Amino acid sequence: NAGVTQTPKFRVLKTGQSMTLLCAQDMNHEYMYWYRQDPGMGLRLIHYSVGEGTTAKGEVPDGYNVSRLKKQNFLLGLESAAPSQTSVYFCASNPLAGGYEQYFGPGTRLTVT
Amino acid sequence: GQSLEQPSEVTAVEGAIVQINCTYQTSGFYGLSWYQQHDGGAPTFLSYNALDGLEETGRFSSFLSRSDSYGYLLLQELQMKDSASYFCAVRDGGRNQGGKLIFGQGTELSVKP
Repeated sequence: NAGVTQTPKFRVLKTGQSMTLLCAQDMNHEYMYWYRQDPGMGLRLIHYSVGEGTTAKGEVPDGYNVSRLKKQNFLLGLESAAPSQTSVYFCASNPLAGGYEQYFGPGTRLTVT
Repeated sequence: GQSLEQPSEVTAVEGAIVQINCTYQTSGFYGLSWYQQHDGGAPTFLSYNALDGLEETGRFSSFLSRSDSYGYLLLQELQMKDSASYFCAVRDGGRNQGGKLIFGQGTELSVKP
């Protein structure tokens, strides 16, 4: 099992550009999450999904959109990137039944200039 | 508001014992988790406490007191590889609410020879 994978690993954007971050998991987990982590900070939840076709807002959803068209994939979109969105983005997943562990991907390091 | 407080830095020597405290104030509480993160990589799950008391997993133990809104992570027989950031996280929703986590800002543990 590859676990949770994220694409791309690094990206540099100019202000106003758009991009999509892809998260994929092969563990058949129901729940998926997108977090951002800024220097010296903990992880803050952007959006999450409790199943295919469902999404919900987290703590810091503004400026981001998400989609969960397939159970194994969770996409995070930035329609018009801003320097304040420079961060490391982590995706995580969690099985519905049993277990409280969230499994994290390796992260995407995004810089917006 | 929702907040978790933990020390920003802790330093200890190899072979010693260190305790990282976490106090929380959240609207919901379904358990306290601990995660380890090395050099900005993927956070990895260490422990989870839903009920009061001590949970032990090898060299690591975690404690929870719900009446005090307080928990700690205890690391014994410290090794150099334990140098990392440690995050406490409150689960503020039940399973049908996505099992969302709110993270503290993290404690940077440095283990010295």
